[in-house]
Parts: sequence; C-alpha cells; structure tokens
Amino acid sequence: SQTIHQWPATLVQPVGSPLSLECTVEGTSNPNLYWYRQAAGRGLQLLFYSVGIGQISSEVPQNLSASRPQDRQFILSSKKLLLSDSGFYLCAWSASMRGEKETQYFGPGTRLLVL
Amino acid sequence: AQSVAQPEDQVNVAEGNPLTVKCTYSVSGNPYLFWYVQYPNRGLQFLLKYITGDNLVKGSYGFEAEFNKSQTSFHLKKPSALVSDSALYFCAVRDIPLSGGYNKLIFGAGTRLAVHP
Repeated sequence: SQTIHQWPATLVQPVGSPLSLECTVEGTSNPNLYWYRQAAGRGLQLLFYSVGIGQISSEVPQNLSASRPQDRQFILSSKKLLLSDSGFYLCAWSASMRGEKETQYFGPGTRLLVL
Repeated sequence: AQSVAQPEDQVNVAEGNPLTVKCTYSVSGNPYLFWYVQYPNRGLQFLLKYITGDNLVKGSYGFEAEFNKSQTSFHLKKPSALVSDSALYFCAVRDIPLSGGYNKLIFGAGTRLAVHP
C-alpha cells in the first residue's frame, strides 16, 4: 500500500531564516505531487504541483519554491522566511494512471511557526 | 469556474443522532466530488468520492454522501454520529483538468462537526 511521509512534524524558525520541508511517497511510481498551505485551521491553498521529476508548477507567486529531485520526493523551500509563512503545510499525492488520478491522498503535515 | 461551498461553519449533533454536512458545487461539465476529514493537527483523510454511477456513495467510517444534480449538492451523511466523528470536514471538486495528467482540487472552507455525548 502507499504511504506518504512529511518531516519535520513541527518547526519553529526565525524570520529571515531558510526553510526546507520534505515529503516522500512510498508504494507508487510517478505520482503527481502537491504542496498545500492551510492557514488558521481552515481552507487549503495549493502552492505547487508536480507531474514528474524536475517539473514544478506554481499556483501562487511568493517567496517559497519547490523541487522534485527524485520521483517520489517533493521539497518545499524558502531562502528567507516571512511571518506570513506560518501555517500548516500539507503534501499530497495522486496516481498518474488514467482512471485513478482523481483522488489526492495527504501526508500528516508540518506545522511551521515563524517568529 | 469550478467552485464548492460549505454553507455551515459548524454543525452540532448529539451522539447517536443522524448528521448531515452540506456541500454545494458549481462546475462546467460533469462534477468529480470528494469529501475529506481532518482531525486536529493531522493531514486530510479521504472519505469518499463521486465520479459517476449511483447517486448514493458509501465511504469510510460509515459515512455516505448523496449526489443531487438538480440541486447541485453533495451532502455528507451518517445515520448515527459518534463523538469520535468530531473533526473538520472538507468538500472538494475537481477543477477543469489540464493536459499532462495534473489534477487540481478546489476545496471548500470546511465545516467543523461537533458531536456531543
């Protein structure tokens, strides 16, 4: 079965510091991968998605970036964090096969607090 | 543009009573609809989806949802609520698919379900 991991689970960082959040998926090949941010425990905002290694699309311009160095690894980064980057970051995957790609499955999330 | 609305911020239900969490949608073409549940400080868990077929969709943990095309609704239901069902529930609709296999979901704002003993 497929599993998705995120780390760290929680992170407290000072303003202006760099960020690296990691997401890995097991048990599937060539997944579509997604990064979301959830603010104030409510709505989800899609930040990035990827359909393959090195293929990243950004939904919202901001000081965050994403990379996909391996098929099942998705990284969210920032060179300098802002206070507004605080939130709950969720990684998700969906199958790339026709007929199976509609459903997204989420990781446990990383809570980021920028002080 | 595709959109989904959850008109209730919070739903309160007594344990053992039936529960309904409402969702309405607006789409071009056939809707692909989803329900997810989120427990505190956790990721979203997939409950069920409607793609095609029977209007009544059964999912995890005893939940079901009824697709109603005329009312453009996809309400989540459970015949008998449990205290452990207390969580945040999200309805989502698939956005118009782009070429290349990417599948974007548009989420509602979420409804907090509180089940009281």
